[in-house]
Amino acid sequence: DAMVIQNPRYQVTQFGKPVTLSCSQTLNHNVMYWYQQKSSQAPKLLFHYYDKDFNNEADTPDNFQSRRPNTSFCFLDIRSPGLGDAAMYLCATSRDRGAREQYFGPGTRLTVT
Amino acid sequence: RKEVEQDPGPFNVPEGATVAFNCTYSNSASQSFFWYRQDCRKEPKLLMSVYSSGNEDGRFTAQLNRASQYISLLIRDSKLSDSATYLCVVTYGSSNTGKLIFGQGTTLQVKP
Repeated sequence: DAMVIQNPRYQVTQFGKPVTLSCSQTLNHNVMYWYQQKSSQAPKLLFHYYDKDFNNEADTPDNFQSRRPNTSFCFLDIRSPGLGDAAMYLCATSRDRGAREQYFGPGTRLTVT
Repeated sequence: RKEVEQDPGPFNVPEGATVAFNCTYSNSASQSFFWYRQDCRKEPKLLMSVYSSGNEDGRFTAQLNRASQYISLLIRDSKLSDSATYLCVVTYGSSNTGKLIFGQGTTLQVKP
């Protein structure tokens, strides 16, 4: 089945140790998004790629970076994780920007020790 | 003020009950409206879009009031499987740059 896949599902990293989360999609969608969701809070958009065009949200910390080497893959890099970065990280795709539906992956739950 | 506000609940209802959730949004330029469902420790999934004329999908009815800037979701004949968090979502911006703005969600617990 076409889908959005995230690896790993659970990631433990140490304070300050760089970590990379990955997302892949078989939907051939143009847009890929990264959201951060903390417990009992709304998903918060960090950035998105429209094809190769990177769009950062104004309040996304510099500590968060992203790469999209091709249509299928997108990575979230956290350069120096802090305790406050522990959260669920959700990758989503949509056919185009402004598309009515986004398709979410299962998420990666990040723990920072 | 949050862009999208919801009562977090939880709403605890017995099976078969009718339950309604409301959501308000602050940006009058909001263009599209949705309800997403998120099960515990899972990803959000689209439940239904919300249209100005109101729309129904089985036991679920969504309504939009643009003048008052609120959206509602009505669930009739609640099932145990309806237990989840329901996220109110709006978009605004031009048709080719719009992004989803999520509310924090309303938690529903349906009990036997």
